[in-house]
Amino acid sequence: GAVVSQHPSWVICKSGTSVKIECRSLDFQATTMFWYRQFPKQSLMLMATSNEGSKATYEQGVEKDKFLINHASLTLSTLTVTSAHPEDSSFYICSGRAGGGGDTQYFGPGTRLTVL
Amino acid sequence: GDSVTQMEGPVTLSEEAFLTINCTYTATGYPSLFWYVQYPGEGLQLLLKATKADDKGSNKGFEATYRKETTSFHLEKGSVQVSDSAVYFCALSGTSYGKLTFGQGTILTVHP
Repeated sequence: GAVVSQHPSWVICKSGTSVKIECRSLDFQATTMFWYRQFPKQSLMLMATSNEGSKATYEQGVEKDKFLINHASLTLSTLTVTSAHPEDSSFYICSGRAGGGGDTQYFGPGTRLTVL
Repeated sequence: GDSVTQMEGPVTLSEEAFLTINCTYTATGYPSLFWYVQYPGEGLQLLLKATKADDKGSNKGFEATYRKETTSFHLEKGSVQVSDSAVYFCALSGTSYGKLTFGQGTILTVHP
């Protein structure tokens, strides 16, 4: 149980284009979803937290107009990287947390974004 | 604010060796503590957790005990396998909405 999927698993795009990454909780309802960015050989950096039906809360230094997050349902959140540039190339990982006060996050497999 | 410090890696061991990865934390209140494992090219998998002092989390031969007096949550395994090669992250959740604070990760390589 507690499976989170991400799509696509990898994507290559041209500079200036936008890319959408989907995060789905397959067997539980994720009232809260988190988006992380991971640079090579480094830890995860939390980008934003989103609750279903609410606007996302972004961490300091993360541009909310560049990284658009939508949490339209209890099983789906999307991250759109707008006007992507090479410096946005990274490994993006989402996680979901079920309701009911539990604090365990279940992570997706990640999406490798490469911007040319 | 909350913080997690892990022992620096990389750690290289021979198969069947004993493993310890140290983790200490700073947090207000009573956080929950986690170990996550990340295999090459994959996302994070929950390895084990502990939610209160003196709790022991265990899974797949790995163990960690929540020590409030030393603010530690060291990961141990008695006999590692090549398949345990991965990056291990210690993390804490100290708020009601479950935001995780991660340590920097420790790369473990196990040789046959």
